[in-house]
Amino acid sequence: DVKVTQSSRYLVKRTGEKVFLECVQDMDHENMFWYRQDPGLGLRLIYFSYDVKMKEKGDIPEGYSVSREKKERFSLILESASTNQTSMYLCASSPLAGGRQTQYFGPGTRLLVL
Amino acid sequence: KNEVEQSPQNLTAQEGEFITINCSYSVGISALHWLQQHPGGGIVSLFMLSSGKKKHGRLIATINIQEKHSSLHITASHPRDSAVYICAVSGSRLTFGEGTQLTVNP
Repeated sequence: DVKVTQSSRYLVKRTGEKVFLECVQDMDHENMFWYRQDPGLGLRLIYFSYDVKMKEKGDIPEGYSVSREKKERFSLILESASTNQTSMYLCASSPLAGGRQTQYFGPGTRLLVL
Repeated sequence: KNEVEQSPQNLTAQEGEFITINCSYSVGISALHWLQQHPGGGIVSLFMLSSGKKKHGRLIATINIQEKHSSLHITASHPRDSAVYICAVSGSRLTFGEGTQLTVNP
């Protein structure tokens, strides 16, 4: 079974802090994704990566950056956390790009920015 | 108007009832996904379909490409089916509906 793990289930940070969210997948998938999920808005794509060191902006990249130094690991970075970044963050991976293949999701990280 | 619309937003049923959740979309797609999210956050993929109908246990998903509409049916619903059900469509990337919160009471 594909396993996608995220470094934290719950995280509390203060405004202005730098925040790292880590995601690791164990199925050698090419593609990895970071989403945020907010009530009434559904899941929205922040960034995705289709290969090591490659990244593409999603629909809401402002205030975020990403890093993919190894194929299995995709990190989401909040350079200076703000209260409007309080959300549920979900990582996913898939063997194919776009939506042509099932995406496998991690358990999510609930981030609260005070 | 969102590209992916789900209805209803909330649904409460009694155990054993037949449940239908609907998804309409307004863009061209290569496939449609139904996902399930339990309390706690984890999301699992239930179906990916591009035509016709798929069945897995008590779950059935149908899609009508011409009508740009899909339905997820749950037969003989059970409290463990309580979750958020999310429709997503794929073009160059996945676009998600807002989800349907299903509660099945014993």
